[in-house]
Amino acid sequence: GQQVMQIPQYQHVQEGEDFTTYCNSSTTLSNIQWYKQRPGGHPVFLIQLVKSGEVKKQKRLTFQFGEAKKNSSLHITATQTTDVGTYFCAGPNRGSTLGRLYFGRGTQLTVWP
Amino acid sequence: SAVISQKPSRDICQRGTSLTIQCQVDSQVTMMFWYRQQPGQSLTLIATANQGSEATYESGFVIDKFPISRPNLTFSTLTVSNMSPEDSSIYLCSVDPSDINYGYTFGSGTRLTVV
Repeated sequence: GQQVMQIPQYQHVQEGEDFTTYCNSSTTLSNIQWYKQRPGGHPVFLIQLVKSGEVKKQKRLTFQFGEAKKNSSLHITATQTTDVGTYFCAGPNRGSTLGRLYFGRGTQLTVWP
Repeated sequence: SAVISQKPSRDICQRGTSLTIQCQVDSQVTMMFWYRQQPGQSLTLIATANQGSEATYESGFVIDKFPISRPNLTFSTLTVSNMSPEDSSIYLCSVDPSDINYGYTFGSGTRLTVV
């Protein structure tokens, strides 16, 4: 069945260091979404990427969608303690834009002050 | 984007009993989703609930164990039946966006402990 793989599972960085998480789908995606879940919280939508090769930025966060629309990455520059949490990528069913999502296992980011 | 009120936020239940979790949305939505999340793990989809039809369950989840109601476009319930300690988890509801640019919205979750 359709799968979304995400690495690494854990990342520990010192404040000010950069962080990257990678996502890879077993199928071509119409879009890929990124969510952040703070400890004890629920997933919160960060961004959606739709176009092949698309790059979007949100302040220190840079999101990329691969040319084949099967992989994606999230890069955080100069991490801060407020970046702590688990970052999930998610994609819809093959051939769909909405409906159920397939989530990666998430990357849990810890930032030392 | 939609706002979801999920209740209860947490509960401790005796094994063999049932718990019903509610999600109320502030706008009409087509699809509602119910997830289970073990601590430190990803989200596992239990079922998709559409108004006016039976919920669609994922492999490994059955209606007798996790009955779902979807009486209208703003409300859904998930019941965890005949609970055992293995059912201890966080349960989350989610709705698909009216505008995909806003992403999917999640309820705040129900932390269930079965003793």
